[in-house]
Amino acid sequence: DSGVTQTPKHLITATGQRVTLRCSPRSGDLSVYWYQQSLDQGLQFLIQYYNGEERAKGNILERFSAQQFPDLHSELNLSSLELGDSALYFCASSVSLAGADEQYFGPGTRLTVT
Amino acid sequence: GNSVTQMEGPVTLSEEAFLTINCTYTATGYPSLFWYVQYPGEGLQLLLKATKADDKGSNKGFEATYRKETTSFHLEKGSVQVSDSAVYFCALTPVWEAGTALIFGKGTTLSVSS
Repeated sequence: DSGVTQTPKHLITATGQRVTLRCSPRSGDLSVYWYQQSLDQGLQFLIQYYNGEERAKGNILERFSAQQFPDLHSELNLSSLELGDSALYFCASSVSLAGADEQYFGPGTRLTVT
Repeated sequence: GNSVTQMEGPVTLSEEAFLTINCTYTATGYPSLFWYVQYPGEGLQLLLKATKADDKGSNKGFEATYRKETTSFHLEKGSVQVSDSAVYFCALTPVWEAGTALIFGKGTTLSVSS
């Protein structure tokens, strides 16, 4: 158990809909990352927050947004969903901004868009 | 830009065989290098890391050495077990970037039979 929790575990929704994925980092970790894992794209970084502020953006679509709340949990919002958004979405956390820090991964949310 | 290339899988071995999974990277400066492992149905776990040239990371019998001259971080294990069957990801965190997100290779699936 990494200490990172993600809900829900599975999500099935239709094209055009909007969903929210939730992540609670390990106790004491200030940095939260979102990654998308799909068969064709592999593991791709979406966005990073540190202590409530956006720190870096990766290959995140404009239809996707995220935020980190004062209690440090984070939410990833996916809107106008397309079939190609079906993937496993991982949240990870680390204690600081040091590149050498271990990132602890949650179990993931599997999103299926039909 | 920053990227990671690792050998295509799947890699199929018998128990007690020697394992090598090749990983090379492209990055400016001295990135931190990681190997993460993903067991079926689970999130990623850090296997080992190295943060500077000639460092050797090791854990659970796995080893990898940070080779700056060849920009490589190959994963090795002297004697694999069935329980090592998983997907292995080589990754780096780049220097001179605003964030510290992991950049992953495409992953190598290892299957060990008894």
